[in-house]
Amino acid sequence: NAGVTQTPKFQVLKTGQSMTLQCAQDMNHNSMYWYRQDPGMGLRLIYYSASEGTTDKGEVPNGYNVSRLNKREFSLRLESAAPSQTSVYFCASSARSYNSPLHFGNGTRLTVT
Amino acid sequence: KQEVTQIPAALSVPEGENLVLNCSFTDSAIYNLQWFRQDPGKGLTSLLLIQSSQREQTSGRLNASLDKSSGRSTLYIAASQPGDSATYLCAVRAILSYNTDKLIFGTGTRLQVFP
Repeated sequence: NAGVTQTPKFQVLKTGQSMTLQCAQDMNHNSMYWYRQDPGMGLRLIYYSASEGTTDKGEVPNGYNVSRLNKREFSLRLESAAPSQTSVYFCASSARSYNSPLHFGNGTRLTVT
Repeated sequence: KQEVTQIPAALSVPEGENLVLNCSFTDSAIYNLQWFRQDPGKGLTSLLLIQSSQREQTSGRLNASLDKSSGRSTLYIAASQPGDSATYLCAVRAILSYNTDKLIFGTGTRLQVFP
């Protein structure tokens, strides 16, 4: 039972490089989310997608872009990485109802030097 | 502005103790509150979700309560075990406006249960 799968698990980038974080869920969920987790700041929402074909900005969208490729997949792209984007990134999904729990992937630990 | 606070930030207890983790929030306009567990290097696992109309939820040795009017939730862990060692986070789904909501996380309580 895979749930939410994120790749890669670890990544080191140099300032200015680009990369895409991949996320896929097999629970037929409508909503998908990208969060970043930083020490002392909790989880902050970067972007979310309420359904296939729609995406919306969260609290900290600057420097990121997303694509909801289909119902299963939601990718996060860093076009020009900056040291401030060093963080742990989590993808999550949930059913449409706001009373549905979130299911998280195991995260991608990104370091930008 | 909705803010979620968890105190203490860290807790260390001997095995077998019953313990309570606290979560407080500043605005009672919420749909629900969720408790999560996070193991080192892992994602978050949903433990319990309490809807705003509910007072508590139970799962095994875990019991979560919600007092919306006072802006408080507690997670009670009975007969703690070393395997309970993890960071516990709460999150409220705050109602921002009609048809708009937002999940707001606390920064967590890091629990260590020693044998």
